[in-house]
Order: sequence, then C-alpha cells, then structure tokens
Amino acid sequence: AQKITQTQPGMFVQEKEAVTLDCTYDTSDPSYGLFWYKQPSSGEMIFLIYQGSYDQQNATEGRYSLNFQKARKSANLVISASQLGDSAMYFCAMRTNYGGSQGNLIFGKGTKLSVKP
Amino acid sequence: DAGITQSPRHKVTETGTPVTLRCHQTENHRYMYWYRQDPGHGLRLIHYSYGVKDTDKGEVSDGYSVSRSKTEDFLLTLESATSSQTSVYFCAIRYSEVYNEQFFGPGTRLTVL
Repeated sequence: AQKITQTQPGMFVQEKEAVTLDCTYDTSDPSYGLFWYKQPSSGEMIFLIYQGSYDQQNATEGRYSLNFQKARKSANLVISASQLGDSAMYFCAMRTNYGGSQGNLIFGKGTKLSVKP
Repeated sequence: DAGITQSPRHKVTETGTPVTLRCHQTENHRYMYWYRQDPGHGLRLIHYSYGVKDTDKGEVSDGYSVSRSKTEDFLLTLESATSSQTSVYFCAIRYSEVYNEQFFGPGTRLTVL
C-alpha cells in the first residue's frame, strides 16, 4: 500500500530555532518522489522542496532541507532559523507510479507548526 | 505562480442542486487535478486529467464528474450536491514531467446546506 504518515498533528517552535517535521512513507515502487508543501492560514498550497528516491544528497532550498533516510523510509522537513511567517500547516506528499497511478501524489494529513516569538 | 485560477472562490448552495467548479490555467500543462481538503484528511484526489478529454478517477470520485474540452480548463461537477461535499476544493497542475511537482490554485470553499 502507498501511504504517507505524519505523526505530529501540531508542533511549537521558538522563533530563530530549527524544527524538524516528521514524515514516513510506504511504497513498493523503487522510483518515487517526496514533496513538502506549506499551507499558511490564508489557504494557498505552496510547494517547498522535492527529493527523488535515487538522489544521493538531501535536497535543500534556502532555509528548508529534507532529511532523507531511505532505509527508514523517512523524509523529514527541517526548517532552520524559524520565522513567525513559518507558522502554517505542512504537508508531506509522495509520488509513485504504483498501480498505474500515473505519478499522482498522495498526501499526509499534515502538521500544524506554530512559531512563538 | 503557475497561472492557475479557480472560480468561484466561494459558493453556498443547497442539497440536491448541481454545482460546477472551474479551474483555468494559462501555461498549457498537460496534467490537471481536483482535490478536496477536509480537516483531518489532508488532500484527497477526486479526479485528474492527462489531456483533453482524457480523465480518470482518484481516491474519492463518487458523486463527482469532470470534463476537459480544452487544455486550459478543467471542470468539476457535483451533479446533486450533498452536505458531505462541503469542503475546500483545490485544482492543481503538474508543473514538470520529470519531478511531477504540482502547483495549486487558490481553492474554492463550497458549503452545501
């Protein structure tokens, strides 16, 4: 079964500190991709970062990095130096071609991050 | 911004009425998607399209139909709206064929009374 699990419904972090949002996945497809999206209170979905299953290095985009541990099937998002504007829902997603899904994404249920001043 | 608009942005309707939501893109992307977002469920795929007149079902397709007669437009129809279809609906496009990252429209908040 293809599944994404985000076990932290909500998290708090102090401004300027780093925070890790957990994501584990399950797939039998050897070729897959992992994504993180941010949804602020205004409601839009913002693409943050991508990691391919064959990528040797962890993906980074500015203050975002993806801690990819293939053997553990985890793809945690690390936000360095948190800012008040990072307060939002964060969704982990996975792309596979399993079962003819044509590379569609499946999403976790999200983690709500609150940054405290 | 991948040039995706949704209309209407908000709609209140009554049970049993038909509702059509429109997604419009300006960049000629092949794949388009409709999701619904409900508390505690994340985003769930309703239907998707991989070209003009080419569509397929997603995880939660019951009660919904779609049409794509032009590359730029993807319509989602609730033939007879029910209260369980109260949700926020997002349209998305697949931005690249390499990574399959998706970019989303602003969403439509639908309330079925």
